[in-house]
Amino acid sequence: DQQVKQNSPSLSVQEGRISILNCDYTNSMFDYFLWYKKYPAEGPTFLISISSIKDKNEDGRFTVFLNKSAKHLSLHIVPSQPGDSAVYFCAATLTGNQFYFGTGTSLTVIP
Amino acid sequence: DSGVTQTPKHLITATGQRVTLRCSPRSGDLSVYWYQQSLDQGLQFLIQYYNGEERAKGNILERFSAQQFPDLHSELNLSSLELGDSALYFCASSAQGRSPLNEQFFGPGTRLTVL
Repeated sequence: DQQVKQNSPSLSVQEGRISILNCDYTNSMFDYFLWYKKYPAEGPTFLISISSIKDKNEDGRFTVFLNKSAKHLSLHIVPSQPGDSAVYFCAATLTGNQFYFGTGTSLTVIP
Repeated sequence: DSGVTQTPKHLITATGQRVTLRCSPRSGDLSVYWYQQSLDQGLQFLIQYYNGEERAKGNILERFSAQQFPDLHSELNLSSLELGDSALYFCASSAQGRSPLNEQFFGPGTRLTVL
């Protein structure tokens, strides 16, 4: 049972525009959410996170929004750059030990 | 470079065989996590160790086992291999047990192919 879902396998965006990556989850008890970025032939790297007590967290060009009532989070990248082209995974955790990852969204930023 | 090393990078073996994947965490990190990524699948959490003790268990098959040694490196043992076990296996480490307070750092992965 996939508790974290990323329904868009891929996304293409023009350089300089906003990229919005979406993630839905089913377990309302999750208390922490994370986004990871993955380049080919490398392991995922941590990007940004948000606690369930917040609805927004910003770090430079990256902002994560959390809508608990909709069990939905999104990652906004503004402005998008070609180097942002990668696979993005969202993840959720309840206890900080076991993590549930989505299937990833492949972002392509077109120069 | 995350500081997490995994060996081997690639592994090709036959059904029914047994393999061992190795992970060395970042210097000082006490927690090690194992994940499996099959084709078109997300990362599936397998198991976590903290300072030598099993901390959390996910979707790990009974044919799979892991351990963390006193020097904090970890091994994932996969036995009676099946074609469906072909996947990328990632190891991650973090400083403490509660990873949201300490982000996970992932290794480059081991690609296992079972023929």
